[in-house]
Amino acid sequence: GEDVEQSLFLSVREGDSSVINCTYTDSSSTYLYWYKQEPGAGLQLLTYIFSNMDMKQDQRLTVLLNKKDKHLSLRIADTQTGDSAIYFCAESIHYGGSQGNLIFGKGTKLSVKP
Amino acid sequence: DAGVTQSPTHLIKTRGQHVTLRCSPISGHKSVSWYQQVLGQGPQFIFQYYEKEERGRGNFPDRFSARQFPNYSSELNVNALLLGDSALYLCASSFASEEQFFGPGTRLTVL
Repeated sequence: GEDVEQSLFLSVREGDSSVINCTYTDSSSTYLYWYKQEPGAGLQLLTYIFSNMDMKQDQRLTVLLNKKDKHLSLRIADTQTGDSAIYFCAESIHYGGSQGNLIFGKGTKLSVKP
Repeated sequence: DAGVTQSPTHLIKTRGQHVTLRCSPISGHKSVSWYQQVLGQGPQFIFQYYEKEERGRGNFPDRFSARQFPNYSSELNVNALLLGDSALYLCASSFASEEQFFGPGTRLTVL
């Protein structure tokens, strides 16, 4: 079955880089996503990567995909206190006529210390 | 442009009652999905609707149902509420399958 695994906690100092890792199981996943959730809020789409790419960069965010190992990572450069949140990795699963539902990991809580 | 909106923001019900949650997608988006997020967990897929038809269903009991209206808004209904239904219910809309945008959620508490 589908499963997405992430480490639960990460603590970094302000200004350092953060790297959040994720592994997934479904090799047929078309897209892989990173979402951010702040306390009491919904999910904010940060970035996503198509499964035939191995890297995507968007300002301070870099996504690396190793399809062979089914490993996805999110690197946040120059991490700020406002980056403190829970980060979810998700894979897109397509069933029949479905346009794709998302399978999420349990989330990585990023704490940024000043 | 307005994002995905959900109502109500918070709701308190007792066991055995039913609840209706509402979602309005981003203008132009025809697909709506519903997710349940229990405290400390990632969201779990419940339903997906596209052009008013159910396109996907997660592993939830028949007490959960949903529908999509001609204006693409959607309702999620839960009957015979259990304590374990307490969660944040998230709605997501998409134009194409690669980007799903989430609303702020409805926090349901079942007592």
